[in-house]
Amino acid sequence: DTEVTQTPKHLVMGMTNKKSLKCEQHMGHRAMYWYKQKAKKPPELMFVYSYEKLSINESVPSRFSPECPNSSLLNLHLHALQPEDSALYLCASSPLPPGQGYNEKLFFGSGTQLSVL
Amino acid sequence: EDQVTQSPEALRLQEGESSSLNCSYTVSGLRGLFWYRQDPGKGPEFLFTLYSAGEEKEKERLKATLTKKESFLHITAPKPEDSATYLCAVQSAGGSRLTFGEGTQLTVNP
Repeated sequence: DTEVTQTPKHLVMGMTNKKSLKCEQHMGHRAMYWYKQKAKKPPELMFVYSYEKLSINESVPSRFSPECPNSSLLNLHLHALQPEDSALYLCASSPLPPGQGYNEKLFFGSGTQLSVL
Repeated sequence: EDQVTQSPEALRLQEGESSSLNCSYTVSGLRGLFWYRQDPGKGPEFLFTLYSAGEEKEKERLKATLTKKESFLHITAPKPEDSATYLCAVQSAGGSRLTFGEGTQLTVNP
């Protein structure tokens, strides 16, 4: 299994809603990532989990709350989002955390297309 | 600060018309340069990692090369299914994150 699976594929939510994005990988990877991507822009790093611990938070607003329940799962909890948060949210994993080892290519999921009304 | 510049922003080719995409980078000690392909509404798909100047890698119609300042993605006899956005990213020796370029949107017309 060489896939990163994200659910849901599409999500529409109001500004007062609470929702969660889910990500799963079964490749034994020890690092998992959340990226945000706006149309025609490159992915922007939000969070990195290394060995199930949050290692990087790119000053993301607290309305985004990541969680790593175990080495295979990654969640992103959303609350009180703004319309400008509408974007494609990508989960990724790598065999080792950033800075460890030379094969740090990222395996990306297909993303969740989020629309905030 | 690491910087990546990709050119052109967009490229239209006829099927079979070979061309190259450019990725210029500034980094304090290159740990790796990565090429990804991204289809609309999908996550990036890994293509290649290059580690040192002079290195080349090939996959089907794609060939990636690396110098000390830039990387090229050569596309030989492209087909319409090669249409996608191609992203270049670098990781510096002391860095803990990838720096992506803005991408090149490639369209191959039949």
